[in-house]
Amino acid sequence: DAGVIQSPRHEVTEMGQEVTLRCKPISGHDYLFWYRQTMMRGLELLIYFNNNVPIDDSGMPEDRFSAKMPNASFSTLKIQPSEPRDSAVYFCASSSSNGGTPPGELFFGEGSRLTVL
Amino acid sequence: GEDVEQSLFLSVREGDSSVINCTYTDSSSTYLYWYKQEPGAGLQLLTYIFSNMDMKQDQRLTVLLNKKDKHLSLRIADTQTGDSAIYFCAGENDMRFGAGTRLTVKP
Repeated sequence: DAGVIQSPRHEVTEMGQEVTLRCKPISGHDYLFWYRQTMMRGLELLIYFNNNVPIDDSGMPEDRFSAKMPNASFSTLKIQPSEPRDSAVYFCASSSSNGGTPPGELFFGEGSRLTVL
Repeated sequence: GEDVEQSLFLSVREGDSSVINCTYTDSSSTYLYWYKQEPGAGLQLLTYIFSNMDMKQDQRLTVLLNKKDKHLSLRIADTQTGDSAIYFCAGENDMRFGAGTRLTVKP
């Protein structure tokens, strides 16, 4: 398996523009997580899904952020409108509840670095 | 995240031992993890410990767990420049991370 795949790796946009980040989890994994990493706040959990259903979105900063998982192999994180304070590295991770050692290990993508000017 | 606390920075000389500490609040996890994040990359699982163990040794890595105090530590023996990274602890049932500990290894 290729691992968790995120796109784009880098995005530079202007304030007010819509940003869509994409994630393909590892095949067979039933959990998907979105994180945001900044120097100020560290690694924050934004939202996670189980079997494509959002379970906890309490970390989503505000209504400008939305996440979807239309099927088991694809998820998006959308920011509309974007602001300079949204500049960060956004990570997607997936895990499986069906065995594995250790259970619950998270597999991370390489991240999407977003810069909002 | 609010569920784990770690020191932000640690600097050591090559060849010395490094000790990274973590205090956690979630006591329901069966496994506790250490993840490593190298520059420009996502996190990768480095090692883990089962919650009924006090210690686990894995080559240069030693994990110590004090369940009573909810304290987890990672010791790296003979630290190398390739160990320079950010280290995060987390529990199996709570996939929230803090800022991590940035380890810098000086030659």
